[in-house]
Amino acid sequence: QQQVKQSPQSLIVQKGGISIINCAYENTAFDYFPWYQQFPGKGPALLIAIRPDVSEKKEGRFTISFNKSAKQFSLHIMDSQPGDSATYFCAASRADSWGKFQFGAGTQVVVTP
Amino acid sequence: GAGVSQTPSNKVTEKGKYVELRCDPISGHTALYWYRQSLGQGPEFLIYFQGTGAADDSGLPNDRFFAVRPEGSVSTLKIQRTERGDSAVYLCASSARTGGFSGELFFGEGSRLTVL
Repeated sequence: QQQVKQSPQSLIVQKGGISIINCAYENTAFDYFPWYQQFPGKGPALLIAIRPDVSEKKEGRFTISFNKSAKQFSLHIMDSQPGDSATYFCAASRADSWGKFQFGAGTQVVVTP
Repeated sequence: GAGVSQTPSNKVTEKGKYVELRCDPISGHTALYWYRQSLGQGPEFLIYFQGTGAADDSGLPNDRFFAVRPEGSVSTLKIQRTERGDSAVYLCASSARTGGFSGELFFGEGSRLTVL
């Protein structure tokens, strides 16, 4: 049973455009929502994370929007660059089992020059 | 090195064989995790160590899978009687903290296991 559903599966965006990836979850006990970036042949690396007590968090060109009532959160990549081409995973975990993440299936983002 | 180190990076074995995958976490990190990532999927939790003990092994798919961390540092994931369905990238991650917003999970590059 997939506890975190991610969409779209893949995304093509032009350089300078905005990439938007969405995730939805069911378990209301989740209280930590990270986004990971993974390049081919590498392990996932933390990009940005949010707790449900805030609705938005921004770090550079990356923004998480969080909607607790809808149990949804999204990643926005502003001014997308070719170096952002990677697979992005959303994840969620509970406070009593931090690090035991439920990952989404991933979104492959391709930024064209 | 400064990151999580995993060996071997690639392992090809035959169905029914025994396999060991090693993880060397970041120095000083007390928490260690194993995940499995199948092609085109997100990582799937297998087991979590806090120190030497397995704090949560609920993700191990069956009793053919076993992991140890005898001295609280290096960990070995052991797979007996491998099956073709075990083919995946096995990721190890470590963390200095076991909770709180300031924690971060650092992943290694993974061990790609192929069972023929």
